[in-house]
Parts: sequence; C-alpha cells; structure tokens
Amino acid sequence: DAGVTQSPTHLIKTRGQQVTLRCSPKSGHDTVSWYQQALGQGPQFIFQYYEEEERQRGNFPDRFSGHQFPNYSSELNVNALLLGDSALYLCASSLYPAGDYSPLHFGNGTRLTVT
Amino acid sequence: GENVGLHLPTLSVQEGDNSIINCAYSNSASDYFIWYKQESGKGPQFIIDIRSNMDKRQGQRVTVLLNKTVKHLSLQIAATQPGDSAVYFCAENRASGGSYIPTFGRGTSLIVHP
Repeated sequence: DAGVTQSPTHLIKTRGQQVTLRCSPKSGHDTVSWYQQALGQGPQFIFQYYEEEERQRGNFPDRFSGHQFPNYSSELNVNALLLGDSALYLCASSLYPAGDYSPLHFGNGTRLTVT
Repeated sequence: GENVGLHLPTLSVQEGDNSIINCAYSNSASDYFIWYKQESGKGPQFIIDIRSNMDKRQGQRVTVLLNKTVKHLSLQIAATQPGDSAVYFCAENRASGGSYIPTFGRGTSLIVHP
C-alpha cells in the first residue's frame, strides 16, 4: 500500500520563475493538504483540497495556487518565485476533511531552492 | 531528560533514559492533538494522538499527556533508543470552516547518545 508520494524530490529555480509540485495521496485518502516547512521551523499550512476544491487556506499570497484532480492527486503551483520561497514543501493526505479525528499522512516533501 | 517547550528546542539524552518532550498549545478550542516525528530528509511521521476528552493515552513506548487547564501537552518516550533521534512536533487541530487544520509548533530536536 503506497503512502503519500511527491515529485520531484529536489528542485532548483531562479527568482521570478514558476514551479509546479506534485503529490499522490495515500491509497483511500481523498483530502490533500500542502505545507511549507522552512529550515528549523514547523510546517506551515498553505491550503487543503477536497472534492477538487480549495476548502481552507492559510496565510499565503495568491502566488501560491493548487489543484486537485479526480483521482485525488494534487499540484501546488508557485508563481513569481522569491528567495524566501526556498523551503521543504510537504503534501499530506487524510481520510476526511472534517468532523473526523484522523491524523495527516505526510510525504517526504519536495526541497525547493530559489536562487 | 525533559524539555520545557519552545525555550529549549534541543533535548539530549542517553540511550535507555526516558525522554519527556513538552508542548504548549495556544487555542483552548483545539480538541485533537497529534505528535509527529520527523527524521532528517523525511516528512513528519505520526506517532500518537489524543482527543480532548482524554488526559492520557499510551502507545508502544510512548505516552501522551494532556493538561487542558494549562494548555500543555507532553510526549514521554520510554527507554529512548538512538533510532528515536529526530525532531518532534506537536500539532493542535482546530475546526475551521468545517475542516480540521493541524497547526504545528516549532518542534524539539531529540538527540540520543549511545
């Protein structure tokens, strides 16, 4: 049973470019959340997708956008990259979006470096 | 060894000792708490969780204690092993617009010396 998979594992981009990160949730999960983790910090919530719609959003600018596909996989897009966007981007999946006490299952992340 | 939350982000213990990692949460409305372990180069891994209607829950070598009065959470690891070396995060779940969004603390780095 495959867990959460993310691609690519590492990525180097130049300031001002755009990037797309991909995530496949754990089998049977239908909700995908994205987190940004700066070095030495805890993960910060970006947004959550369920039924192909953005359900909740954290305190991130509109440069961060996402998408969820019918097979529950998801993409995170970041436009106009800034040096401060350098971080580990984590995807997490879960069973239900609401009303259920279920922990998130995380992938190993995509390490994005902006130069 | 014992950590007192964000003021001591690193905890060093000897193999075989018991470890206690503390966490102060911020929202009294949070009703579900989770501890995650993150090893270098990996994503956070679920360890144990607890709902607000409980004050203690035990797993294999781990125990979570919840004190809602002072909004404090702790993770106890018995007979700490070198493989327990990692960063440990507590996350509080609070309902937001019909969804539960885990909010993570900064984390505590646990170093186990053989």
